[in-house]
Amino acid sequence: AQSVAQPEDQVNVAEGNPLTVKCTYSVSGNPYLFWYVQYPNRGLQFLLKYITGDNLVKGSYGFEAEFNKSQTSFHLKKPSALVSDSALYFCAVRDPDNYGQNFVFGPGTRLSVLP
Amino acid sequence: EADIYQTPRYLVIGTGKKITLECSQTMGHDKMYWYQQDPGMELHLIHYSYGVNSTEKGDLSSESTVSRIRTEHFPLTLESARPSHTSQYLCASSPPKDRGYPYEQYFGPGTRLTVT
Repeated sequence: AQSVAQPEDQVNVAEGNPLTVKCTYSVSGNPYLFWYVQYPNRGLQFLLKYITGDNLVKGSYGFEAEFNKSQTSFHLKKPSALVSDSALYFCAVRDPDNYGQNFVFGPGTRLSVLP
Repeated sequence: EADIYQTPRYLVIGTGKKITLECSQTMGHDKMYWYQQDPGMELHLIHYSYGVNSTEKGDLSSESTVSRIRTEHFPLTLESARPSHTSQYLCASSPPKDRGYPYEQYFGPGTRLTVT
């Protein structure tokens, strides 16, 4: 069965500092991995995805994520955090060999960027 | 922004009332989903549909029901609302396999339901 872990409920970082939001996954075979962001009173917005190829994936708003197969991780990163990056972040995985399989979302990480 | 809409955005209603949360998408997506989101933020899949006349229960048991009579429309109904139904409800959709697989899910803005 697929699963996603986000080991930190909350991440605090100072504005201008680099940020990392962690995600680890468990899936048979090669995974498709996704990051979403949720701002207050909004739905989830797609940030980026890893399907195949380069392990470093670039997405919206200056975010990037690094796929590490040996560590089964897909950490979200940004070189310089903005106060406006404060939001909830969700990692998700799906099994590419099972079209009918639904997404599995992690429990979410609340990012607070302090001015 | 994705073309997926939810109404109402906010609803406060008394116990025992019947309610329907609307979800529509204009992207021609075949798969649609309903998630319930805890105040503590975790998402729980409560219903999904692979197409017209297809509905399935998700991972979290829910007293709500859904229907899929038209591709673009996936309403969720609670026959008798209770305070335990107070939550945020998120609708999502994704395109068919021949249009951009592997696909991401596109989310609506959500409905925040409060049952008093």
